[in-house]
Amino acid sequence: EAQVTQNPRYLITVTGKKLTVTCSQNMNHEYMSWYRQDPGLGLRQIYYSMNVEVTDKGDVPEGYKVSRKEKRNFPLILESPSPNQTSLYFCASSRGTGGAETQYFGPGTRLLVL
Amino acid sequence: AQSVTQLGSHVSVSEGALVLLRCNYSSSVPPYLFWYVQYPNQGLQLLLKYTSAATLVKGINGFEAEFKKSETSFHLTKPSAHMSDAAEYFCAVSDTGGFKTIFGAGTRLFVKA
Repeated sequence: EAQVTQNPRYLITVTGKKLTVTCSQNMNHEYMSWYRQDPGLGLRQIYYSMNVEVTDKGDVPEGYKVSRKEKRNFPLILESPSPNQTSLYFCASSRGTGGAETQYFGPGTRLLVL
Repeated sequence: AQSVTQLGSHVSVSEGALVLLRCNYSSSVPPYLFWYVQYPNQGLQLLLKYTSAATLVKGINGFEAEFKKSETSFHLTKPSAHMSDAAEYFCAVSDTGGFKTIFGAGTRLFVKA
């Protein structure tokens, strides 16, 4: 089954404790992206990747890091989480980088930073 | 810079009534426009998209949207609401390069029996 998977689905952590949220897709997609969803703000793009080893900042990159060492994986790293990073996070992928491409979303990771 | 405005954070309709969810966009270049739906505890999935081929776009589950350049709008409609349509709906705009996608704040649709 074609899908985007994220792990963990739910995570509670404390301020300053490094964490990684994994994202993997099995569709051989070139483009991958991370979003955070907050009430009243919709989805905001954190980082995106056009291909292996090519990443760039979205609209809200502060406090996050990403890497793309393999085509299928795009982990999101919070090196020193803070309470304002409490949010619902989605990973997405698409076949290419053309503007008309449909993005396929993972199920989401709900993060609570205490 | 691109932006998306969804009018109404909550919309309530009766089952069988018309669904109208409003989306206005701002873009300096011809946009690609999307409607995504999010069911409870799930990720987003595509309802339909405008890619300049036709101004009236038909999507899944009986939804359609019309691109109106003069009004910079891309409103989503469905003639007859079903209970299963209750979800949150997001309008989004992407530029030609497709590197960045801007989402609206979302509209939660409630369907009353």
